[in-house]
Amino acid sequence: QQQVKQSPQSLIVQKGGISIINCAYENTAFDYFPWYQQFPGKGPALLIAIRPDVSEKKEGRFTISFNKSAKQFSLHIMDSQPGDSATYFCAASGGSYIPTFGRGTSLIVHP
Amino acid sequence: EPEVTQTPSHQVTQMGQEVILRCVPISNHLYFYWYRQILGQKVEFLVSFYNNEISEKSEIFDDQFSVERPDGSNFTLKIRSTKLEDSAMYFCASSGGGVVSYNEQFFGPGTRLTVL
Repeated sequence: QQQVKQSPQSLIVQKGGISIINCAYENTAFDYFPWYQQFPGKGPALLIAIRPDVSEKKEGRFTISFNKSAKQFSLHIMDSQPGDSATYFCAASGGSYIPTFGRGTSLIVHP
Repeated sequence: EPEVTQTPSHQVTQMGQEVILRCVPISNHLYFYWYRQILGQKVEFLVSFYNNEISEKSEIFDDQFSVERPDGSNFTLKIRSTKLEDSAMYFCASSGGGVVSYNEQFFGPGTRLTVL
């Protein structure tokens, strides 16, 4: 019940395209859903996060869509750029504030 | 911009040896964490630390592991007798206080531990 399932495992997108990464969770106690971006050799960096009281949050080219009833949330990267090439992790946390991470999606944006 | 730093960036050790991984969290943060990431896998929580004591730990964090905040700036992870399966990237993270900033964890660049 603590798992966060992430898909796809890898994603290749052309420059200017939309990248979409999906996550699903089971634990209804989760109330904070961050996305992390990780470049090779670096630690994960918080990209954007959402709480279940809203269905969408947008920051620049990055948007989280949240479906509470389906227990799913997704990251959309609009106008994807080669510099967005990285590994993206979704996560979820509840009362303990310790995030449970998804397995990660390796995104490659071709120029 | 303040950041979490970690040393060393890469540690190679023999099986059975003790290693200490060091972290300097962001200075005004109150909560500290260690995570590990085995190559190609997801990030896994090890332990959280607040007010000079462990607040939560995972099943991975067994008796071989310990954490310490020896002074006002450093936060260390000790592995007493390393095993081959301890080979991983170890990340330190810190967060501030209050509901919002507690969730916003800032990660260091990691220490790659290789156990031979």
